[in-house]
Amino acid sequence: DAGITQSPRYKITETGRQVTLMCHQTWSHSYMFWYRQDLGHGLRLIYYSAAADITDKGEVPDGYVVSRSKTENFPLTLESATRSQTSVYFCASSLLAGGGVRQETQYFGPGTRLLVL
Amino acid sequence: EDKVVQSPLSLVVHEGDTVTLNCSYEVTNFRSLLWYKQEKKAPTFLFMLTSSGIEKKSGRLSSILDKKELFSILNITATQTGDSAVYLCAVSTSGTYKYIFGTGTRLKVLA
Repeated sequence: DAGITQSPRYKITETGRQVTLMCHQTWSHSYMFWYRQDLGHGLRLIYYSAAADITDKGEVPDGYVVSRSKTENFPLTLESATRSQTSVYFCASSLLAGGGVRQETQYFGPGTRLLVL
Repeated sequence: EDKVVQSPLSLVVHEGDTVTLNCSYEVTNFRSLLWYKQEKKAPTFLFMLTSSGIEKKSGRLSSILDKKELFSILNITATQTGDSAVYLCAVSTSGTYKYIFGTGTRLKVLA
């Protein structure tokens, strides 16, 4: 039971390069989320998706692009990486987004630590 | 603007102590409040609260919500070194699928 996985776990890139972070879940959860975690800011929502082909912006979407062609995958692309995008990125999924503990609990992947030089 | 504030930012205690972590929020159309524990990896779920005054309990951890005063507390009794972690509070609102996280409280329990 793989659950939710992220790849790569660590990435070093240079300013201006395109980077894609992968997220895969095996539970067929409807909802998927991308967060970034920085000191002093906690977890901030970048994008979320309610189902395949349905995505929406979170708090800090600028500079990021997402897609969700399949329920199980939710890749996050940094179109032209900047130093301010150095962070730890967490992907999460939940069955639904309301309706009780079972539906709403978010399960987080192990994170991707990204360094932009 | 919706916001979630946690206090204290960090806390150092000794094993056996009891701690209380606070989470206050200002959001429109509150739906639920969730507590997560984050050790050196991904956050893991602790509790979800939707109704005022109903205590959720799991072992030495308990949590309660006050929707009138807009806050929640997380209590940990008889702390152990394994409780050392960052504790995150998140709030969801009706009509959206967004979760607003606080910055977390870093708890260190000394042996």
